[in-house]
Amino acid sequence: DTAVSQTPKYLVTQMGNDKSIKCEQNLGHDTMYWYKQDSKKFLKIMFSYNNKELIINETVPNRFSPKSPDKAHLNLHINSLELGDSAVYFCASSPRGRISGNTIYFGEGSWLTVV
Amino acid sequence: DQQVKQNSPSLSVQEGRISILNCDYTNSMFDYFLWYKKYPAEGPTFLISISSIKDKNEDGRFTVFLNKSAKHLSLHIVPSQPGDSAVYFCAASGGNYGQNFVFGPGTRLSVLP
Repeated sequence: DTAVSQTPKYLVTQMGNDKSIKCEQNLGHDTMYWYKQDSKKFLKIMFSYNNKELIINETVPNRFSPKSPDKAHLNLHINSLELGDSAVYFCASSPRGRISGNTIYFGEGSWLTVV
Repeated sequence: DQQVKQNSPSLSVQEGRISILNCDYTNSMFDYFLWYKKYPAEGPTFLISISSIKDKNEDGRFTVFLNKSAKHLSLHIVPSQPGDSAVYFCAASGGNYGQNFVFGPGTRLSVLP
């Protein structure tokens, strides 16, 4: 069983389109994250939710909107896609996000290419 | 402003020898450190971690050393195996970042047979 699963794994889309990436974790964790790995391979936090509550919202364009219907799911919706949005997006989860000492577990990534 | 640095983008080691991957951090509030391994087209997988109250943690072939005064940690892999070839990310959390994990840029390790 995949602990953190995200779909789709690969997505090629045109500029200006709206797309969503879905994420689900079956680990019973309270906290979920979206990370972006850019062209320089840096892993950067975008958003974090703790039990459906937004707790981290880094400087990300408003075109990116996370949605957490329950603590096992965190979806990422991107409006008006731009070429610079091309990247790998990783979903992740951790047991108790507000306490240090946690381990974070990643999904396999979603490769987004905007053409 | 990189708070977690891995100054070696790549490292090549002969099979059977020791691999040493280094990581430096700038934020003294970090109190928990992790290493992740990443193969191409896969997500990072957790390898080993260390709390700031310790200076060493060992798990099989993997040992992480922490030098708090120098704000430096290292991952030792002994003996190195070809399957260890991957990108290794150092990560830190704690303090104001308690619910966040800050990652370094990664070091690509190649273990040569």
